Amino acid sequence: GEDVEQSLFLSVREGDSSVINCTYTDSSSTYLYWYKQEPGAGLQLLTYIFSNMDMKQDQRLTVLLNKKDKHLSLRIADTQTGDSAIYFCAESINGNKLVFGAGTILRVKS
Amino acid sequence: KAGVTQTPRYLIKTRGQQVTLSCSPISGHRSVSWYQQTPGQGLQFLFEYFSETQRNKGNFPGRFSGRQFSNSRSEMNVSTLELGDSALYLCASSADFGSNQPQHFGDGTRLSIL
Repeated sequence: GEDVEQSLFLSVREGDSSVINCTYTDSSSTYLYWYKQEPGAGLQLLTYIFSNMDMKQDQRLTVLLNKKDKHLSLRIADTQTGDSAIYFCAESINGNKLVFGAGTILRVKS
Repeated sequence: KAGVTQTPRYLIKTRGQQVTLSCSPISGHRSVSWYQQTPGQGLQFLFEYFSETQRNKGNFPGRFSGRQFSNSRSEMNVSTLELGDSALYLCASSADFGSNQPQHFGDGTRLSIL
């Protein structure tokens, strides 16, 4: 089946690390994505990971993939107030179709 | 390089009318997908076009349709609008068809039905 689940809310202090978790169900997914959405805007592609990788690092972002447990996480180091947004996890299914989670609201307190 | 461009940004329509939304992909991208975002249902896949052909379709009624032109620009049309069609409609483009291409989104068209 096609289902992606995320926790709904995360609150952190500025300068701390944020970890957003996601689980997915389709084992045939080839790519898994993290998108960021700010108020009134579209989706900004943050990073993505191929399903045969277990980790990808890109500046302050670290993606960990546990394919056995179908678990994906996004770690944001040194979280800033500008990181406050909704973060969506998505898996690619059957071509370019993306199945999204409900989104995690990240609130960064200064 | 310009990103994905969607027009218009905002639209207000009444029930029963029809609407056409436009999407210009990133230059060189040949695949365009459409998504609907609502508070209740989240982000849902509508359809994907590649080489002017619909390649994939989500679970939406036939009132939702789309097309793609030879320059890869795409339009989606919703006929006989209902209140529940109020949503943010997002377009995404990728370089090619297939799940190994990252998708880049536009800022969306916010459609309000009165």
